[in-house]
Amino acid sequence: AQRVTQPEKLLSVFKGAPVELKCNYSYSGSPELFWYVQYSRQRLQLLLRHISRESIKGFTADLNKGETSFHLKKPFAQEEDSAMYYCALYTGGFKTIFGAGTRLFVKA
Amino acid sequence: ETGVTQSPTHLIKTRGQQVTLRCSSQSGHNTVSWYQQALGQGPQFIFQYYREEENGRGNFPPRFSGLQFPNYSSELNVNALELDDSALYLCASSLEDRGGNEQFFGPGTRLTVL
Repeated sequence: AQRVTQPEKLLSVFKGAPVELKCNYSYSGSPELFWYVQYSRQRLQLLLRHISRESIKGFTADLNKGETSFHLKKPFAQEEDSAMYYCALYTGGFKTIFGAGTRLFVKA
Repeated sequence: ETGVTQSPTHLIKTRGQQVTLRCSSQSGHNTVSWYQQALGQGPQFIFQYYREEENGRGNFPPRFSGLQFPNYSSELNVNALELDDSALYLCASSLEDRGGNEQFFGPGTRLTVL
């Protein structure tokens, strides 16, 4: 079955602390993975995709095919990082599967 | 460049009724995907339209149908509404060349079924 699992509904960290938002996927093919973010009162938007291997707003994510994971990391969290984060898997067949999301709360 | 727009913003219907939601894609985009997002859940893929044809569908019954027009705008139609259809409906547009491209989301339509 094709599935994206984000085990944490809520993650709370202090400003300046490292952040890791977990994402595991289930897919037998070659995955294309994304992280989308939704800031308060804004629409859902792309944060990064594994193909581009970029660092966006200090966030990085590495695809680990052995562990079927695509965890999102940032070494030093900022208050403006507080948002809802969704991991998404493109399966081909023009279908994208989203995880249930993790709400990140960065405390001052 | 204009972003993705959706109408209406909110809608209240009763069980058994039919509803049509509308989406205008971002300028230059030829692909529209529709998602249903229930409270506390991630977006669930309903279907995708590319050049006026449905080319991908999630696990939704046939009473969920859609259209895409020559200008790439799109409609989502839901017949025989059920209480569980209450959700935020998101439209996303993208430029489809090989798939897996960045999707640009609209603000959503909040549907309440009573």
